[in-house]
Amino acid sequence: SQQGEEDPQALSIQEGENATMNCSYKTSINNLQWYRQNSGRGLVHLILIRSNEREKHSGRLRVTLDTSKKSSSLLITASRAADTASYFCATDLIMNSGYSTLTFGKGTMLLVSP
Amino acid sequence: NAGVTQTPKFRVLKTGQSMTLLCAQDMNHEYMYWYRQDPGMGLRLIHYSVGEGTTAKGEVPDGYNVSRLKKQNFLLGLESAAPSQTSVYFCASRPTSSTDTQYFGPGTRLTVL
Repeated sequence: SQQGEEDPQALSIQEGENATMNCSYKTSINNLQWYRQNSGRGLVHLILIRSNEREKHSGRLRVTLDTSKKSSSLLITASRAADTASYFCATDLIMNSGYSTLTFGKGTMLLVSP
Repeated sequence: NAGVTQTPKFRVLKTGQSMTLLCAQDMNHEYMYWYRQDPGMGLRLIHYSVGEGTTAKGEVPDGYNVSRLKKQNFLLGLESAAPSQTSVYFCASRPTSSTDTQYFGPGTRLTVL
């Protein structure tokens, strides 16, 4: 079952603006990851934040994690048309086998207009 | 270093036909996964493998079988395709631990008529 849910489902902004996407999850996590998917392509890893971290930066990306609220946010600053893509949060799910797999939300579709 | 590759990229099947999707990774990863992605549904895990010779069921395993005879390859089989299996299929691999990122293939777009 899907652990994470992104919000909003779709976001449309102008180049240069900031884009914020949120993710809520249901159970305790060890870490949370964000992935990006360009149309018709596979997912690409963006950033991982551990459960004992509150904020992490990578270039124009800023991720926050609030374990008390079971939520995370992804901020893309000074967006560019090339940032147009779908963004997914992913958390570890422990299967019956005892091994973990990643479970993904349904994604936020970001459109950045020139 | 090709990463994760998938064969074929596109396929059209008739109901009842069978086919095998091939996933290959050259990163010596232990874990491999097959997902399907449908509009509005996100990615759903079909089967996964935690090492050569092992496989396990994911969230939506019915109608699919998998094999991991070699560490670098993970095969997904459809024995009797159904229109409900029309989807985009993604393979992914991961070194081992939960802190590792997953690397995805480019996807296979399958249509079942």
